[in-house]
Amino acid sequence: NAGVTQTPKFRVLKTGQSMTLLCAQDMNHEYMYWYRQDPGMGLRLIHYSVGEGTTAKGEVPDGYNVSRLKKQNFLLGLESAAPSQTSVYFCASSYGLTLNQETQYFGPGTRLLVL
Amino acid sequence: RKEVEQDPGPFNVPEGATVAFNCTYSNSASQSFFWYRQDCRKEPKLLMSVYSSGNEDGRFTAQLNRASQYISLLIRDSKLSDSATYLCVVIATGTYKYIFGTGTRLKVLA
Repeated sequence: NAGVTQTPKFRVLKTGQSMTLLCAQDMNHEYMYWYRQDPGMGLRLIHYSVGEGTTAKGEVPDGYNVSRLKKQNFLLGLESAAPSQTSVYFCASSYGLTLNQETQYFGPGTRLLVL
Repeated sequence: RKEVEQDPGPFNVPEGATVAFNCTYSNSASQSFFWYRQDCRKEPKLLMSVYSSGNEDGRFTAQLNRASQYISLLIRDSKLSDSATYLCVVIATGTYKYIFGTGTRLKVLA
């Protein structure tokens, strides 16, 4: 069991470039999430998905898009990167939302630097 | 007022000491609470859930005080390996919304 994996681990982009971050989980979880973590701030939810084919906006969705074509994968896209998107991005997944199913498991993170 | 607040620390304690952190939350409808541990440049990892009755896992004890709207984490007999940032997480059961605190940094000194 690999749990939650993320690729790439690190990326440098120039302003205006695009990229896609990939998250994969092998735990058969229904729910998947994308967060960003910045110094001095808690993790903030970007987008989430409650199942294959569904996506929804979180707290800070602007500048990002997501897709969940397969249950095990959740992609985060940056169409036109900006320096403000320099951050560490974490993907997470959970089985459900009821008690004892709501624990989120995190991937190792992707460090993104936008110049 | 932030939804979840933690003292950022750092808490510098000697090996073997007992240390406690608190985390306050503003939404009285919150139903589920967790402590996560995050090592430098790593992902958050679940340390323990916090139940109404409190729970203990080895050297770690978590408590919930609904009346005062805070949760606590007690670490006994601190080890060097306990050095990390401890994140408080609060959610309302049935929602997707995990609210993270900014974390409390612990340094255990030899």
